[in-house]
Amino acid sequence: QKEVEQNSGPLSVPEGAIASLNCTYSDRGSQSFFWYRQYSGKSPELIMSIYSNGDKEDGRFTAQLNKASQYVSLLIRDSQPSDSATYLCAGGRNTGNQFYFGTGTSLTVIP
Amino acid sequence: ETGVTQTPRHLVMGMTNKKSLKCEQHLGHNAMYWYKQSAKKPLELMFVYSLEERVENNSVPSRFSPECPNSSHLFLHLHTLQPEDSALYLCASSQESGQGDYEQYFGPGTRLTVT
Repeated sequence: QKEVEQNSGPLSVPEGAIASLNCTYSDRGSQSFFWYRQYSGKSPELIMSIYSNGDKEDGRFTAQLNKASQYVSLLIRDSQPSDSATYLCAGGRNTGNQFYFGTGTSLTVIP
Repeated sequence: ETGVTQTPRHLVMGMTNKKSLKCEQHLGHNAMYWYKQSAKKPLELMFVYSLEERVENNSVPSRFSPECPNSSHLFLHLHTLQPEDSALYLCASSQESGQGDYEQYFGPGTRLTVT
């Protein structure tokens, strides 16, 4: 059973558009969620964390969490070519050893 | 040095070799992790050390042996590996409070090829 599932994509959006990345999770006890960006050949880089239902905004990024629906999303506004990467959703319980990554969604922003 | 560093960045080894991967974190964190990343698969958590005590070993074959001498250093000792062990090995660290706010920060990884 996959703990965290993401649409593997690839997802393509034009420059300046909103990119929407989605993730679902199976463990209702999960309370911590993270989005990582991974460029090809590089390691994952943390871009957002979210722990409460609702929206959390940081610059062009907005993370959304709906625990009732077991759904996490990441919106990227005004997408730039430099946002082209694989985005990893991760979530888990209250310690780092109960923590799972999705397979990632590949995003391409077309100039 | 800042963040999380890993050495070597690339490693090619034969199936009979013994080698070690090294990770060092400069963030003052109290937990460190080893992950394996293979193509088309989710990141696989291998080992977790919290306050220098191993708290997780996700059914990892015994040919992988972790060591955490202090809260800043983590090693992964490798011996008698198989070609399917070829992957990117990532180290991460976090500050564990037990409250779920364990943001993990990754090192650059070691690209391992087993021949």
